[in-house]
Amino acid sequence: GESVGLHLPTLSVQEGDNSIINCAYSNSASDYFIWYKQESGKGPQFIIDIRSNMDKRQGQRVTVLLNKTVKHLSLQIAATQPGDSAVYFCAENPDSGGYQKVTFGIGTKLQVIP
Amino acid sequence: DTEVTQTPKHLVMGMTNKKSLKCEQHMGHRAMYWYKQKAKKPPELMFVYSYEKLSINESVPSRFSPECPNSSLLNLHLHALQPEDSALYLCASSLKGQGAHNYGYTFGSGTRLTVV
Repeated sequence: GESVGLHLPTLSVQEGDNSIINCAYSNSASDYFIWYKQESGKGPQFIIDIRSNMDKRQGQRVTVLLNKTVKHLSLQIAATQPGDSAVYFCAENPDSGGYQKVTFGIGTKLQVIP
Repeated sequence: DTEVTQTPKHLVMGMTNKKSLKCEQHMGHRAMYWYKQKAKKPPELMFVYSYEKLSINESVPSRFSPECPNSSLLNLHLHALQPEDSALYLCASSLKGQGAHNYGYTFGSGTRLTVV
């Protein structure tokens, strides 16, 4: 079936630098995308989302970019902090009949070097 | 209250046991979900409940039996599980409907299940 995937399974970043986590998706019917952060021993935590009618959305220290032409999604974290260390999942919702059937990508582990 | 609460946090059960996982939310969300997550893998959808009715079953084996007694509670009944069913079981909830402003899920912290 169609799936959401990530290019980099592990990303190491120096504290204070910016991080960019990438995601490729293949379901052209998806109209809603979400980034989740999962810390060890916890459930995924919503970070930011974007609808398919947008190409950029900013939050606090995070920005999500959507390129529908190449089916690519990215999460940018500014001034990365040790507390940002976690696994990051992109997820898509094809809006199947109104039910929120969110499918997760494979995840990227972000390691912040102090 | 902006949380999804799951109990127990850890569970060890034998292959002949019957146990239940519980999930509770008081955010007025009308869609609730069970996900299974193996180590170093993404969460995989098992069941979706919408307005207390089962709307999606992702071909989950019958040894997993979901139940939604009311809009705030979601259970997962377990019976005759196999060691390969050991995983983190996550519950989530969300606003339902295409008019909803926020489609994101709120996840609980999960139940770490070990089948021996």
